[in-house]
Amino acid sequence: NAGVTQTPKFRVLKTGQSMTLLCAQDMNHEYMYWYRQDPGMGLRLIHYSVGEGTTAKGEVPDGYNVSRLKKQNFLLGLESAAPSQTSVYFCASSYGEGTALYEQYFGPGTRLTVT
Amino acid sequence: GENVEQHPSTLSVQEGDSAVIKCTYSDSASNYFPWYKQELGKRPQLIIDIRSNVGEKKDQRIAVTLNKTAKHFSLHITETQPEDSAVYFCAAKRDNYGQNFVFGPGTRLSVLP
Repeated sequence: NAGVTQTPKFRVLKTGQSMTLLCAQDMNHEYMYWYRQDPGMGLRLIHYSVGEGTTAKGEVPDGYNVSRLKKQNFLLGLESAAPSQTSVYFCASSYGEGTALYEQYFGPGTRLTVT
Repeated sequence: GENVEQHPSTLSVQEGDSAVIKCTYSDSASNYFPWYKQELGKRPQLIIDIRSNVGEKKDQRIAVTLNKTAKHFSLHITETQPEDSAVYFCAAKRDNYGQNFVFGPGTRLSVLP
């Protein structure tokens, strides 16, 4: 049981380049999330998904897109990277609303630098 | 929408002393309040949580108290140890409102030997 995994762990991009971050979970969780973490600003929600085939915007969605084609995977895309997207990105997953089990399980993070 | 504030932003205590971190929230409908611990370079992990029908919850050296009237909740760590050094995040959530948490900005706790 690997929990929540993220690929890659580190990445350096040039301004304007694109990339996709992959998140995978093996806990059969319905909900998945993408956060970014910047110094002094805590965890800010980018996009989330409440089930396979669904996505929704979070607090800071601009410049990112997501897809959830399979229940276990949640992809975060940057179409044209900007230096302001330099951050640590965390994926998380949790059970659905009806379970009242709200704990979010986080992946190890991806450190992205945009130059 | 919900807004969560957290104080202090940094906290240094001597080993063996107690540490208290306080969060306030704005949405009176929020009813689930977790605390996450993030060690340096690691992922956040849940350490304790409380629901609005409970005023206090303890787990060994960690406790959380909730004051719904004042809309604040606090994390209490007793007999602090060096391994308690980390960043602690509080969060707030409403039932049946999606699984979206709103996180506080974090408190960096340093336990000095």
